[in-house]
Amino acid sequence: AQSVTQLGSHVSVSEGALVLLRCNYSSSVPPYLFWYVQYPNQGLQLLLKYTSAATLVKGINGFEAEFKKSETSFHLTKPSAHMSDAAEYFCAVSDAAGNKLTFGGGTRVLVKP
Amino acid sequence: DAGVTQSPTHLIKTRGQQVTLRCSPKSGHDTVSWYQQALGQGPQFIFQYYEEEERQRGNFPDRFSGHQFPNYSSELNVNALLLGDSALYLCASMRGRQETQYFGPGTRLLVL
Repeated sequence: AQSVTQLGSHVSVSEGALVLLRCNYSSSVPPYLFWYVQYPNQGLQLLLKYTSAATLVKGINGFEAEFKKSETSFHLTKPSAHMSDAAEYFCAVSDAAGNKLTFGGGTRVLVKP
Repeated sequence: DAGVTQSPTHLIKTRGQQVTLRCSPKSGHDTVSWYQQALGQGPQFIFQYYEEEERQRGNFPDRFSGHQFPNYSSELNVNALLLGDSALYLCASMRGRQETQYFGPGTRLLVL
């Protein structure tokens, strides 16, 4: 069975500061990994995905994530937070292309002016 | 190009009732998945439909059932509603077994 753990249910950052959201996964096979963002009262929007190509993945809105197999991690970063980054972020894992996604519990990001 | 659409946006039901939620996939997509997102939690996989057949199923009781139509749209049915079924129900679509699933805005169900 696969699982995802997101460390920290809430993160508060100042505008312009580094955003770091942590995700650790468990998978018995090479994983497909995803980060999604959810704005209030909306569905999920894909930020980026890892599918066994480059370990450093660049996504939309200036976000990137690095796959580290030895640490079973896929942390999400953005060098400089913007007010519009305030949202909830979900890390997800799948065991094959198109298979079900298993999500972490989410991290809510608050951006302070 | 319309994305994934879901209806209704909000729904209020009482315990014991039945509910049907609807999803139209993104243009060109033939696979639909349903997820349940309880308040403050991450989405949980309910099931996936492809070619009008249930291809995968998560750990949900038989009260949760679905259907996919020839035009690839899908319905989620929940019978004998419980208070704990209150959640945001998300539909996601993709083409075949592509890596990326695209999500709709969800239907928020409240069971009283």
